Amino acid sequence: QKEVEQDPGPLSVPEGAIVSLNCTYSNSAFQYFMWYRQYSRKGPELLMYTYSSGNKEDGRFTAQVDKSSKYISLFIRDSQPSDSATYLCAMTGFQKLVFGTGTRLLVSP
Amino acid sequence: EPEVTQTPSHQVTQMGQEVILRCVPISNHLYFYWYRQILGQKVEFLVSFYNNEISEKSEIFDDQFSVERPDGSNFTLKIRSTKLEDSAMYFCASSDREVRNSPLHFGNGTRLTVT
Repeated sequence: QKEVEQDPGPLSVPEGAIVSLNCTYSNSAFQYFMWYRQYSRKGPELLMYTYSSGNKEDGRFTAQVDKSSKYISLFIRDSQPSDSATYLCAMTGFQKLVFGTGTRLLVSP
Repeated sequence: EPEVTQTPSHQVTQMGQEVILRCVPISNHLYFYWYRQILGQKVEFLVSFYNNEISEKSEIFDDQFSVERPDGSNFTLKIRSTKLEDSAMYFCASSDREVRNSPLHFGNGTRLTVT
């Protein structure tokens, strides 16, 4: 079983839609969870950072962590064409950050 | 906003040659990292560096790889004898505390092409 699993997509939605991106993981030591956005030929850009279970909201973005199910989500409200990118989940227990494969999101005008 | 900068943006080298990838982390950060991303694959951890020594490395980071902080601002990754399979995007990252307490900030990467 992979340590972090993420559907690669692509996920295509119309502008204004609510987007749901998800990752599952197997390592129960993970306690810190992040979502990064990566545009083509650019480095990952931090979107959300959460610790343990619960929700965190920042503007149009909401991150959810369910440690009992080993499942994390990122919701994007009122999606915009500029949100088109690859979204990477990442997590850690102590040292190294472990990434999912990334989900490619396409928001059409 | 402060950012991590990496040079060069693209490096082409022949198999067997040595390459040095350079990074300038965010100035008040203390923890430094190298990750790589082979085309179409996930971002993979290579090495973390703190207090002038390696704190953790992956199985990818073998004897052909080394890291150095030669002065107060630069952080370098050296590959001694490049192989075709070293072709990838190499990302430098930094944080002001351990990754569990502080998220990583990434540079835009160096695309390494080994021919």
